[in-house]
Amino acid sequence: ETGVTQSPTHLIKTRGQQVTLRCSSQSGHNTVSWYQQALGQGPQFIFQYYREEENGRGNFPPRFSGLQFPNYSSELNVNALELDDSALYLCASSLSAGVKETQYFGPGTRLLVL
Amino acid sequence: GDSVTQMEGPVTLSEEAFLTINCTYTATGYPSLFWYVQYPGEGLQLLLKATKADDKGSNKGFEATYRKETTSFHLEKGSVQVSDSAVYFCALSGGTGGFKTIFGAGTRLFVKA
Repeated sequence: ETGVTQSPTHLIKTRGQQVTLRCSSQSGHNTVSWYQQALGQGPQFIFQYYREEENGRGNFPPRFSGLQFPNYSSELNVNALELDDSALYLCASSLSAGVKETQYFGPGTRLLVL
Repeated sequence: GDSVTQMEGPVTLSEEAFLTINCTYTATGYPSLFWYVQYPGEGLQLLLKATKADDKGSNKGFEATYRKETTSFHLEKGSVQVSDSAVYFCALSGGTGGFKTIFGAGTRLFVKA
């Protein structure tokens, strides 16, 4: 069984640029959530996708957007990058969107915005 | 809204010492509670979970009991090893925020040989 994978592992961008991060969910999982983890802090929920539809969103501006594909892999897109977007971006998959479901996390993509 | 509060770190222990990391939460309803561990340069790994009051989650010698009366979920291990050095996150889901997982700020643990 393959776990959650993310690409790329590291990325450097400059202010104002756009970035796309990718996530492959664990086999059999139809739900993907994205989190932002700033240095020294706990992860903050960005949004969740369930069966290709956005299923909920945290307190992030619209320049954070996402997609989920028919194979349940997912993308996180961030437009007009700001310095504060520098963080570890974590993707987590789960069997479904139920409130009791356990999420399994990928290794993350570390984004640095200069 | 829902929140999780953890004891501040870093926590520094000698090998074979007893570990307690305190965690309390605020949430309505009956959330599930989790401990995640993050090793240097890696993502989060689920360490243990409990889904209802008085449940005890356990894994790899770590334990935590869901205490609704004190809204707590303290992490314990009887004898820590150097390899336990990591950041530990307490988290909840299924409260007011529904499926959103709310994390504490994390507690860094250093174990000396």
